[in-house]
Amino acid sequence: QSVLTQPPSASGTPGQRVTISCSGSSSNIGTNTVNWYQQLPGTAPKLLIYSDNQRPSGVPDRFSGSKSGTSASLAISGLQSEDEADYYCAAWDDSLNGYVFGTGTKVTVL
Amino acid sequence: QEQLVQSGAEVKKPGASVKVSCKASGYTFTSYYVHWVRQAPGQGLEWMGIINPSGGSTSYVQKFQGRVTMTRDTSTNTLYMELSRLRSEDTAVYYCARERHSIGLDPWGQGTLVTVSS
Repeated sequence: QSVLTQPPSASGTPGQRVTISCSGSSSNIGTNTVNWYQQLPGTAPKLLIYSDNQRPSGVPDRFSGSKSGTSASLAISGLQSEDEADYYCAAWDDSLNGYVFGTGTKVTVL
Repeated sequence: QEQLVQSGAEVKKPGASVKVSCKASGYTFTSYYVHWVRQAPGQGLEWMGIINPSGGSTSYVQKFQGRVTMTRDTSTNTLYMELSRLRSEDTAVYYCARERHSIGLDPWGQGTLVTVSS
């Protein structure tokens, strides 16, 4: 079972800002960097944010990440229809000695 | 370009084993760790373990200890994940994904659907 907790769903109209939270503990988010993955329907996950707040080449700057203590957040500003997807946070967990994923958040564009 | 290409879908009976392959291309095979992740139908991502293609060392999540084996073939730049004693709950899409140090998992394979059914 996931050790990183996310809200199951989030939604917004085109152009709005949506924020997704990711709650962890001192052994994962509190110690290691957070990555975010986007999974479009029927496809493999794709790296969206790395090292808490860095965007890989090609990721639009309307996606941003932040971290404070044992929690992290992903923000999507200027929401677009193609942003409708599942989003997962992830981090290495020192206690489990493994990579842990969040429970996932489904973003719906109304 | 850097990519991971996985083997095709499999249907297995309970108690059987399955071996999924993941062929790497476009980068130095032995320079990056590879993770295996699975996703049951309608569920989230579940990390299974990691392999170092250079020396072949592995680390598995406790849940799969004794049932999973991750290996690699440096002559063909291919990684393998074998899961034994399959049960219906193992029905899932299995992904391989390369770890870019301090960056995360990128790229991912396209996924392999394993269906366990009598």
